Amino acid sequence: DTGVSQDPRHKITKRGQNVTFRCDPISEHNRLYWYRQTLGQGPEFLTYFQNEAQLEKSRLLSDRFSAERPKGSFSTLEIQRTEQGDSAMYLCASSFGTGYYGYTFGSGTRLTVV
Amino acid sequence: ELKVEQNPLFLSMQEGKNYTIYCNYSTTSDRLYWYRQDPGKSLESLFVLLSNGAVKQEGRLMASLDTKARLSTLHITAAVHDLSATYFCAVDGGGNQFYFGTGTSLTVIP
Repeated sequence: DTGVSQDPRHKITKRGQNVTFRCDPISEHNRLYWYRQTLGQGPEFLTYFQNEAQLEKSRLLSDRFSAERPKGSFSTLEIQRTEQGDSAMYLCASSFGTGYYGYTFGSGTRLTVV
Repeated sequence: ELKVEQNPLFLSMQEGKNYTIYCNYSTTSDRLYWYRQDPGKSLESLFVLLSNGAVKQEGRLMASLDTKARLSTLHITAAVHDLSATYFCAVDGGGNQFYFGTGTSLTVIP
């Protein structure tokens, strides 16, 4: 386990379809974060988990978005009824504890809604 | 909400020159992080600054943190083409999330 893995790397979907992304964090990291990055911007926080508990959600996370981390290991982010505005890079990161020494980011999933 | 501003947003510099990227943030924090992002790639951690006056150096990059001024700098010495990338600063907003700047897109021209 050498890092944070995300799958798929790229996803093209039609507007209105549902999509699901997966993130496998570094195994000893208990915190997992989801961020969204649009073109030309810095990443924006969506939500984070401590073990299996989702402890904070951004107002960016509309009702169409749901995230889970069922056993405190991998996480999924689902977007229902996708809209063109959902097109972005979705980044997953993990940390041990509160991320005092920083987060480790995955390679991201680039979503394009057509 | 914590605001993080970087400047410049775009930087084009010649090889061999020096330059500084600035990162200002709006509320008290003593933890700041610098990341590098290549086009289409994820974020690579560069520096972790955890106290006032912290200074870290790696190769041609040096980062510093002044928590009283709420300012961090990333200094580039004798730039080379390989440093071309987008650089982000991120401020710890209280232990639960990082707040990122808008990034500085650096292009080093031969």
